Amino acid sequence: EVQLVESGGGVVQPGRSMRLSCVASGFTFDDYAMHWVRQVPGKGLEWVSGISWDSGTIGYADPVKGRFTISRDNAKNSLYLQMNSLRAEDTALYYCAKDTVHYYDSNVAFDLWGQGTLVTVSS
Amino acid sequence: QSVLTQPPSVSAAPGQKVTISCSGSSSNIDRNYVSWYQQVPGTAPKLLIYDNYKRPSGIPDRFSGSKSGTSATLDITGLQTGDEANYYCGAWDSSLITGVFGGGTKLTVL
Repeated sequence: EVQLVESGGGVVQPGRSMRLSCVASGFTFDDYAMHWVRQVPGKGLEWVSGISWDSGTIGYADPVKGRFTISRDNAKNSLYLQMNSLRAEDTALYYCAKDTVHYYDSNVAFDLWGQGTLVTVSS
Repeated sequence: QSVLTQPPSVSAAPGQKVTISCSGSSSNIDRNYVSWYQQVPGTAPKLLIYDNYKRPSGIPDRFSGSKSGTSATLDITGLQTGDEANYYCGAWDSSLITGVFGGGTKLTVL
């Protein structure tokens, strides 16, 4: 089955860290760029970070730059998001999304999404 | 405040046509491809249109996209009650060097 499954969300205190994971199946993972997109419940979509097929190029949205790190392990068909120095405004549902091309910085055409994992930053 | 601007809501009767607009700038829509997503509350977004007008496999031709300059539109014809959802446009922004989305448009099928 073609799918993305995220994990690692939960409740975390401000200033602490959390690592999200996304396992892919049913397609050739290392053929495509991958992304993290977040959504505050009831609000719109926000692109967070993207990584090219070979990890050669990586990008971040300004609100998370310097705090979040995206990575992938093609041998494990897995995508990760290491989130440090978490803030209340990082509270959201985090989606893993598959691009339609190799490189992350050409479009926002994501043809496969996970179910999302909820991150709540609260004391 | 979203980089791409969409109307908050649109509505039309079953069987009718609706158009959802998406306004951007020279650094995003004018220069790069536009995508459109449908999101039913409680579910993940679904890609409807990519590369301005292309439909992924399985998306009916009732959904069509176009782009002109710094604006893009999503047309939905033959509206069905099952089309009720939030619709988002998205594009790469070459100045911000990030992906950007519109704020979303809620479609109500009356």
